[in-house]
Amino acid sequence: AQKITQTQPGMFVQEKEAVTLDCTYDTSDQSYGLFWYKQPSSGEMIFLIYQGSYDEQNATEGRYSLNFQKARKSANLVISASQLGDSAMYFCAMREGYGISSGSARQLTFGSGTQLTVLP
Amino acid sequence: DADVTQTPRNRITKTGKRIMLECSQTKGHDRMYWYRQDPGLGLRLIYYSFDVKDINKGEISDGYSVSRQAQAKFSLSLESAIPNQTALYFCATMGGDNYNEQFFGPGTRLTVL
Repeated sequence: AQKITQTQPGMFVQEKEAVTLDCTYDTSDQSYGLFWYKQPSSGEMIFLIYQGSYDEQNATEGRYSLNFQKARKSANLVISASQLGDSAMYFCAMREGYGISSGSARQLTFGSGTQLTVLP
Repeated sequence: DADVTQTPRNRITKTGKRIMLECSQTKGHDRMYWYRQDPGLGLRLIYYSFDVKDINKGEISDGYSVSRQAQAKFSLSLESAIPNQTALYFCATMGGDNYNEQFFGPGTRLTVL
């Protein structure tokens, strides 16, 4: 089974409107972290936001917020007031385990991404 | 200056050639990773290293090898490149005060003809 599922290959949003990018995850760990990265056409991976499984409040970073619903195993990214520069591929990722733990790679498992296009 | 650098940024090579991609970091992190990204897919882990003497295979290590020459340097080699290794390759690091986030290099775009 896929650990990270992003069901929206492509999304369109009008400039200045809010958009939600979906992400569901699958893990049996109690401790894990969820990440969102932005990848513009230039290719670099830009970290946007992080949510730890024990964090009680949803993470926010400027115009980005993470709608974390633990029981549903979802970690949707909400972008408010979309800008043309937000057009990019967005990846949800999960890191299982927490902090330092011997023998654990702490690698990120990525979803397949959502291509967001912001329309003027 | 960028904390995680990759060289080269772009490379075109021919089938059967040996090629090395290099990653350097100034963050002082102990953990380093190599990922591969194919069109329409997320990143997949090739190899990772906890320190200079600790190298581990990831999800898709076949056809690749790595070398951790120093804490700051982690190289990925394709011993005999093949066209389906055409991809975008990312190096990442983790460590210091924060073992919950990975920091990515700018990526190397590799084309194997």
